[in-house]
Amino acid sequence: GESVGLHLPTLSVQEGDNSIINCAYSNSASDYFIWYKQESGKGPQFIIDIRSNMDKRQGQRVTVLLNKTVKHLSLQIAATQPGDSAVYFCAENSGGYNKLIFGAGTRLAVHP
Amino acid sequence: DTEVTQTPKHLVMGMTNKKSLKCEQHMGHRAMYWYKQKAKKPPELMFVYSYEKLSINESVPSRFSPECPNSSLLNLHLHALQPEDSALYLCASSQDRGRAGYTFGSGTRLTVV
Repeated sequence: GESVGLHLPTLSVQEGDNSIINCAYSNSASDYFIWYKQESGKGPQFIIDIRSNMDKRQGQRVTVLLNKTVKHLSLQIAATQPGDSAVYFCAENSGGYNKLIFGAGTRLAVHP
Repeated sequence: DTEVTQTPKHLVMGMTNKKSLKCEQHMGHRAMYWYKQKAKKPPELMFVYSYEKLSINESVPSRFSPECPNSSLLNLHLHALQPEDSALYLCASSQDRGRAGYTFGSGTRLTVV
């Protein structure tokens, strides 16, 4: 299930289940979006990106969906594994600027 | 080479010290960034360099001074910091204009005492 802590919401899933992490972005002019995974003590690691002229993009075990109407982004992880446990951030790049702004983040906890 | 390398990995400094953080990439990226990240928070943009020129300063206090000596290097000079400046400082680079290839380093964990 999902819970909202003081600073970071947490999504708890069972190993093997599919995970869906959601993100609301702020700028309707943003035209490029990235999902990052960040493990403890490490920098953000690129997972998948999508441009605003697309609604969906698939990678290996991951899918990103973009709904520009409601300014919503989601990351779907298939067959979640313990190694997927981390904090996941969405980030948006406002058109015309090299300005990548991060969302609040969601902690994904995968239980065996 | 597809990495952004940051040094040092850890730094402890006093409030009267002067220190520098270093960042290097050899991917041919022409945009480089400094972010600050507090615990359980997202990275916050500090500075953007585009073609070695400062293009964005997100109202960062002057005790943080960025420098881009060439297209592969980015420094962050620190002076008279406060304990609340303790954080993970992340460097990133990307292709300019194409808005792609954003790659982050592992960061420098800074503690101000």
